[in-house]
Amino acid sequence: AQSVTQPDIHITVSEGASLELRCNYSYGATPYLFWYVQSPGQGLQLLLKYFSGDTLVQGIKGFEAEFKRSQSSFNLRKPSVHWSDAAEYFCAFHYGGATNKLIFGTGTLLAVQP
Amino acid sequence: DVKVTQSSRYLVKRTGEKVFLECVQDMDHENMFWYRQDPGLGLRLIYFSYDVKMKEKGDIPEGYSVSREKKERFSLILESASTNQTSMYLCASSPYTNTEAFFGQGTRLTVV
Repeated sequence: AQSVTQPDIHITVSEGASLELRCNYSYGATPYLFWYVQSPGQGLQLLLKYFSGDTLVQGIKGFEAEFKRSQSSFNLRKPSVHWSDAAEYFCAFHYGGATNKLIFGTGTLLAVQP
Repeated sequence: DVKVTQSSRYLVKRTGEKVFLECVQDMDHENMFWYRQDPGLGLRLIYFSYDVKMKEKGDIPEGYSVSREKKERFSLILESASTNQTSMYLCASSPYTNTEAFFGQGTRLTVV
């Protein structure tokens, strides 16, 4: 079955440290991949997306993600975390086609220490 | 700017009540979605609609129904609310082309 796995439920990093959030997907072909961020009590905001082409994609707020077909992964990275990055992060994909029905991972909650 | 608006941020309802959650988008998108978000479970799709009056069940449709009479509006209906439907509900929309979904702010529903 198609699915997304985010193995880290909760991560704590120090402000200024680098960050990598893991995401693996299960699907027979290359899906359309997304990272969303959710601040407390808010909806989801798109950070970045991968559809095709360059496997390293840049997003908003200084985030980037790399698609690795061989590992079925789409990990999110940031070189230097800011306190305002504390939020929950969701990896998601869809198969393409008209409906764009997203399948989400269970999320990773990021805490940032001063 | 893209906008998906959910009519309520917080709702408290009693067990057995009929509950309507409303969502409106102003982007002329064909697809609209209702997700439920629970801690540790991520977002799970309840229903989606790919056109006016068209709907399909998602992964967890039991206890819910939907209505889409106009392209811009997608309503989620809890026919008889139960305490296990206490959750955050998120509405989203997207066009037919291969792109991302846009989300509303969410409605936190508490059933007592």
